[in-house]
Amino acid sequence: GAVVSQHPSRVICKSGTSVKIECRSLDFQATTMFWYRQFPKQSLMLMATSNEGSKATYEQGVEKDKFLINHASLTLSTLTVTSAHPEDSSFYICSASAIHEQYFGPGTRLTVT
Amino acid sequence: AQSVSQHNHHVILSEAASLELGCNYSYGGTVNLFWYVQYPGQHLQLLLKYFSGDPLVKGIKGFEAEFIKSKFSFNLRKPSVQWSDTAEYFCAVNDKVVTGGGNKLTFGTGTQLKVEL
Repeated sequence: GAVVSQHPSRVICKSGTSVKIECRSLDFQATTMFWYRQFPKQSLMLMATSNEGSKATYEQGVEKDKFLINHASLTLSTLTVTSAHPEDSSFYICSASAIHEQYFGPGTRLTVT
Repeated sequence: AQSVSQHNHHVILSEAASLELGCNYSYGGTVNLFWYVQYPGQHLQLLLKYFSGDPLVKGIKGFEAEFIKSKFSFNLRKPSVQWSDTAEYFCAVNDKVVTGGGNKLTFGTGTQLKVEL
């Protein structure tokens, strides 16, 4: 089946620093990847849609300059949280789209101290 | 914008009990419907999906869901739950009219199911 990986699985960083999270589709090509944020005991909130070779489309209320998304190839998308603050601490999940289905990565737990 | 409602936030059942989790969506057009499960410490996995055809959809691990268009519902069912079904369950919808990029999913708030021995 379709496998999506994320790296790192956990990261702790200090306020003001930047963190990059990678999302890879391992056995298929994904024209579109999605980035979600999940707060404790809440649902997944779509942050942005990432299309290979073009600019990401951000959802309302998501700061594009803070959450930089790059989709350089059909198997890799990256999310960079710039100038991280404690309120950015969350669980970030990516998914890769194949036809009408999305396959989810295992998530990255970001803690900003 | 469409929305997805899951009215049961926490459900506790004994093993062998029957399960039904509600899911209602607001979008009036043609939709694709999904149920995902997230076991403790694991990533989201697809349980089942509905695109078209028979409104009663069977998924993995004995789960099924019924699409009732007139009620905008896609409830998840399992006749006899097991302790290993303890997990969080998410209903999701994507509209078939794709705008921008890809098949955006709108998720419900999730239902935490605990199955007791």
